[in-house]
Amino acid sequence: AQKVTQAQTEISVVEKEDVTLDCVYETRDTTYYLFWYKQPPSGELVFLIRRNSFDEQNEISGRYSWNFQKSTSSFNFTITASQVVDSAVYFCALSEAFSGTYKYIFGTGTRLKVLA
Amino acid sequence: KAGVTQTPRYLIKTRGQQVTLSCSPISGHRSVSWYQQTPGQGLQFLFEYFSETQRNKGNFPGRFSGRQFSNSRSEMNVSTLELGDSALYLCASSWGGTQYFGPGTRLLVL
Repeated sequence: AQKVTQAQTEISVVEKEDVTLDCVYETRDTTYYLFWYKQPPSGELVFLIRRNSFDEQNEISGRYSWNFQKSTSSFNFTITASQVVDSAVYFCALSEAFSGTYKYIFGTGTRLKVLA
Repeated sequence: KAGVTQTPRYLIKTRGQQVTLSCSPISGHRSVSWYQQTPGQGLQFLFEYFSETQRNKGNFPGRFSGRQFSNSRSEMNVSTLELGDSALYLCASSWGGTQYFGPGTRLLVL
């Protein structure tokens, strides 16, 4: 069965600190996709990144970086030099790549509070 | 391109009523999915439509239904509302395996 675990319910950091959000997934598929979304207080889920199961390269985008490790079934997200605007709930999600359907399994989310 | 739009943004209903929510996908996207988000259950998949056909369905009772039109716009309907249906309902349109979400409809059932 598919499962996504975000063990950190809430994290508080002071502005400019680095913070890592953990994501561990379970799937029997060999081909799958992993995602990170940001949900600000407005409610809309904002797409951040997608990673395919066959691509284990780490990704960096500005202050954001992602570390995908198939050996530990983890897809962690690091924000460098955090800012108050980073405060939001962050979701990790898994999608299997069969039949071309789009059904995401989401983790429970990590609420990040960045204090000025 | 314009993003995913959802209407209405807020709704208040009473138990036993029914409600219809609307979603317009990003232009060119043919897949539309619906999710329910509650504090207790988190984000749960409701169903997905592609070219007017339901392609996948989550574990929700038959009171939850949906449809998709030829222009890819989608509606979801909840009949005989219960207090537990109070939630944020999110719609997503998909392209190439990635879902892009709308702002959601906040439904409060009294």
